[in-house]
Amino acid sequence: QVQLQESGPGLVKPSQTLSLTCTVSGGSISRSIYYWSWIRQPAGKGLEWIGRISTTGSTNYNPSLKSRVTISVDTSRNQFSLMVDSVTAADTAVYYCARVLEATVMDWGQGTLVTVSS
Amino acid sequence: DIQMTQSPSSLSASVGGRATITCRASQSIGGRLNWYQQKPGKAPNLLIYGASSLQDGVPSRFSGSGFNSDFTLTITTLQPEDSATYYCQQSHSTPLTFGGGTKVEIK
Repeated sequence: QVQLQESGPGLVKPSQTLSLTCTVSGGSISRSIYYWSWIRQPAGKGLEWIGRISTTGSTNYNPSLKSRVTISVDTSRNQFSLMVDSVTAADTAVYYCARVLEATVMDWGQGTLVTVSS
Repeated sequence: DIQMTQSPSSLSASVGGRATITCRASQSIGGRLNWYQQKPGKAPNLLIYGASSLQDGVPSRFSGSGFNSDFTLTITTLQPEDSATYYCQQSHSTPLTFGGGTKVEIK
């Protein structure tokens, strides 16, 4: 059973860059049938898909965030990462990493709260 | 983007009863619709994929139906552990989008 674990700072200052890493265990991130995604959820609100990356490095981003987001993959470490530039309070949320098969989220990390505040 | 609209936003039903949640897509998505259950403080969990296929390990009291733009999640014989928020998600095209959620309370 694959497991995903998010890691990174829980507090980021406004205008700075949010950086998170997802470590995948119990399975290889290099399996080409999967995409690896980031999804976020502000407190008390719904789910927002941020973007995804394939094992070959091909990416798709949500247009609402596209200019500020970068997702990358490190197959040697079985990890993928998220960067969001120029954050504001609106980026405060629980961030989930996820394994996606044919656009269906099969497995989720436990989520990590990132707060944007000075 | 494809907009997903869920209703109701919340409902209350009795143990042993039935809950029905609807999800409407802003354009036709065929059968590309998934349902997730989320309990407080936890990540969502896949219940139904492809509009009507039950994910492994999910109790058979959960069922999904629908096609094109109108979909339904039905939970029969409600159990206390079904208290959660339920989300639909279209898997037709990126950006993937979710409905706003339906909070189910078990009386």
